[in-house]
Amino acid sequence: AQKITQTQPGMFVQEKEAVTLDCTYDTSDPSYGLFWYKQPSSGEMIFLIYQGSYDQQNATEGRYSLNFQKARKSANLVISASQLGDSAMYFCAMSVTNFGNEKLTFGTGTRLTIIP
Amino acid sequence: NAGVTQTPKFQVLKTGQSMTLQCAQDMNHNSMYWYRQDPGMGLRLIYYSASEGTTDKGEVPNGYNVSRLNKREFSLRLESAAPSQTSVYFCASRGLNYGYTFGSGTRLTVV
Repeated sequence: AQKITQTQPGMFVQEKEAVTLDCTYDTSDPSYGLFWYKQPSSGEMIFLIYQGSYDQQNATEGRYSLNFQKARKSANLVISASQLGDSAMYFCAMSVTNFGNEKLTFGTGTRLTIIP
Repeated sequence: NAGVTQTPKFQVLKTGQSMTLQCAQDMNHNSMYWYRQDPGMGLRLIYYSASEGTTDKGEVPNGYNVSRLNKREFSLRLESAAPSQTSVYFCASRGLNYGYTFGSGTRLTVV
């Protein structure tokens, strides 16, 4: 079975500082994908970044980067130069394909609050 | 705009009532999913459909049924609603690339 663990229920960060949100995962499948989603107070799920298990380089998307450490099974999200609009819930998720069916498993999330 | 559309956005049911949550996508995606989100528990998979005509149980299927009506539509039915089914429900679809697209959610309260 697949499992995603986010150990930080909440974080407070000063505006303009960088922030790292932790995510560890567990799977025996050699092929998987790792995702980060942002959920603002309005409730929608916003895709941020993706990392494939065979990707050699860490994924980056603007101010977001994914610190992928395969041996440690971690996929931390780094947000550079945080902004007030970054305040939201952040979910780490993993996709694994079994017998042709792909499913996305989520962690419990981290609530990030940016302080002015 | 292309995406995943869920209806209704809000619903209050009495215990024992039934209802169907509707989901439609216009991106020609094969796979569709239903999740529920409860405080402190992230999103949990209820049912999914890898292609038209197929459905499979996820992590928390009890009390729900689904129908993949065609490639576009994937509905979730509660036959006899219970207070434990109070939650926010998300529909999602996935195309050939790695991206999952989520609907805006349905906030369901069962009293």
